[in-house]
Amino acid sequence: GAVVSQHPSRVICKSGTSVKIECRSLDFQATTMFWYRQFPKQSLMLMATSNEGSKATYEQGVEKDKFLINHASLTLSTLTVTSAHPEDSSFYICSARGTGGIQHFGDGTRLSIL
Amino acid sequence: SQQGEEDPQALSIQEGENATMNCSYKTSINNLQWYRQNSGRGLVHLILIRSNEREKHSGRLRVTLDTSKKSSSLLITASRAADTASYFCATDLSGGSNYKLTFGKGTLLTVNP
Repeated sequence: GAVVSQHPSRVICKSGTSVKIECRSLDFQATTMFWYRQFPKQSLMLMATSNEGSKATYEQGVEKDKFLINHASLTLSTLTVTSAHPEDSSFYICSARGTGGIQHFGDGTRLSIL
Repeated sequence: SQQGEEDPQALSIQEGENATMNCSYKTSINNLQWYRQNSGRGLVHLILIRSNEREKHSGRLRVTLDTSKKSSSLLITASRAADTASYFCATDLSGGSNYKLTFGKGTLLTVNP
């Protein structure tokens, strides 16, 4: 089955640091990937849609300059949280669009900003 | 309120019992999907039901869709402790170039051994 790998699984860093999260589709090409944020015991909030070779589409209220998305190949999308602060601490999950409108998810990244 | 809302928010049952979770949504959909999330992990796709379908089965899972009531249900039969997880419904509104999924708040299912 389709596999999406997300790395790293856990990041702990100081305030002001920029953090890059990678999302790779391992056995299929993904022209569209998605980045979500999830707070404890809550649903997934779509942050942005990442399109290969073009600019990402951000959801309302998500700062483009804060959350930089790059989708340079058909198998890799990256999310960079720039100058992270404690309020950016969260669980970030990526997914890739598969056939039939199904999404295949990575295992998430737990980001903790001290 | 939010597109795709599940109820109950939490459900605790004994192994062997059936678990039923419901999802309501507000706008017309192309399809509705159910996903499962183990604690601290990503989501896993369970089943997709199209807007012109009324019922679908996959192993111990049964999903129904009532587009007139804008609701869906997920039934897990003969539950196991390993079924303990959060279950989310997700609606696909577009069917086209504006594709994205909107997730509900989820139901936390606990199956006690």
